[in-house]
Amino acid sequence: DAGVIQSPRHEVTEMGQEVTLRCKPISGHNSLFWYRQTMMRGLELLIYFNNNVPIDDSGMPEDRFSAKMPNASFSTLKIQPSEPRDSAVYFCASRGLAGDTQYFGPGTRLTVL
Amino acid sequence: DAKTTQPNSMESNEEEPVHLPCNHSTISGTDYIHWYRQLPSQGPEYVIHGLTSNVNNRMASLAIAEDRKSSTLILHRATLRDAAVYYCIPDSSYKLIFGSGTRLLVRP
Repeated sequence: DAGVIQSPRHEVTEMGQEVTLRCKPISGHNSLFWYRQTMMRGLELLIYFNNNVPIDDSGMPEDRFSAKMPNASFSTLKIQPSEPRDSAVYFCASRGLAGDTQYFGPGTRLTVL
Repeated sequence: DAKTTQPNSMESNEEEPVHLPCNHSTISGTDYIHWYRQLPSQGPEYVIHGLTSNVNNRMASLAIAEDRKSSTLILHRATLRDAAVYYCIPDSSYKLIFGSGTRLLVRP
């Protein structure tokens, strides 16, 4: 199994631009998570999907952030417009059964200039 | 959500055992105790988890106090590859709430 796949691995953009991060979960997993990691705040859960439905988006910072999961094998996290304070590493994770292990992707390092 | 307390950092010599402590005094009776680690420039990875009994797997052992208010992750022989940040996470639902963890330094 290839594990959780994220793209791009690195993204550099300018303030005000739209950014889309992509995630392919492990096949057969029905839960997907988006996290953000910064030095100041550590690892934070942004949003959680179960069976492609958003269950908890209380961690999404503000309306500039949106996430979708159109099918079981793909999810996106979009930031529009991006701001320098959005610079962070964004991780996607997936899980099979409830209570099971979460498997993390390699992350996308986002830099907003 | 249960709060955890871990030392900010610990050091070990290569090939020696390492005991990483975690206090989780507010843990509920149904919370599993998960340990994840994050190697440099990588995403977190699962290490081990348990509920009440001590647990062993190929990576580590987990010793859980009888009152469940604390636990200790044991790496039996630390290697340079074990240098990482280790997170102790009580988990009763889907949420993994990461604290600041313990940064383990392994000296050759």
